Amino acid sequence: NAGVMQNPRHLVRRRGQEARLRCSPMKGHSHVYWYRQLPEEGLKFMVYLQKENIIDESGMPKERFSAEFPKEGPSILRIQQVVRGDSAAYFCASSQQGSKNTGELFFGEGSRLTVL
Amino acid sequence: KNQVEQSPQSLIILEGKNCTLQCNYTVSPFSNLRWYKQDTGRGPVSLTIMTFSENTKSNGRYTATLDADTKQSSLHITASQLSDSASYICVVSAKGTDKLIFGTGTRLQVFP
Repeated sequence: NAGVMQNPRHLVRRRGQEARLRCSPMKGHSHVYWYRQLPEEGLKFMVYLQKENIIDESGMPKERFSAEFPKEGPSILRIQQVVRGDSAAYFCASSQQGSKNTGELFFGEGSRLTVL
Repeated sequence: KNQVEQSPQSLIILEGKNCTLQCNYTVSPFSNLRWYKQDTGRGPVSLTIMTFSENTKSNGRYTATLDADTKQSSLHITASQLSDSASYICVVSAKGTDKLIFGTGTRLQVFP
């Protein structure tokens, strides 16, 4: 049973380009969360999705960032017109029942975005 | 404001020694508290999850305690090993929400 798979593990973009980060949750998991971690800082919630629905996007910047979790395929975090401040590690986590109550969250290894 | 504070920020111990990491939170209403271990360059891995009614929970050499009255938790590591070198993150969930609030972590280094 493969864990949460994220790709690419490392991504380098120039300012103004687009970054697409993909996350395949664990088998049987329909809840996906995206977090951002800046160097020496804690993980910050970005967005929570269930299949085809955005449940909570209160942590997402209002512009340039979007996320989806289609019926088929991985969840995608898309950052348009990247800026240097977008450089960070982006972690995806999945769960079977949501993190409400004691739903276990399983994290991927992260995608490290560097904006030149 | 819901916050999770961890101390110390960093800690260095010798292999074989014990250590205790602290977590204070202001999240309300409280649902559960989790401790994660994050190796450098890797994703967090769950160590324990505790609800309001649980005071202590162990996972091998890791023992977490929870005092919901004082809103404090600790993670005790017994007989530390070199592989324990990592960041330990305290995470608290508020009741009725799927959002987790992460502390900034304690960076533990175990030296031989």
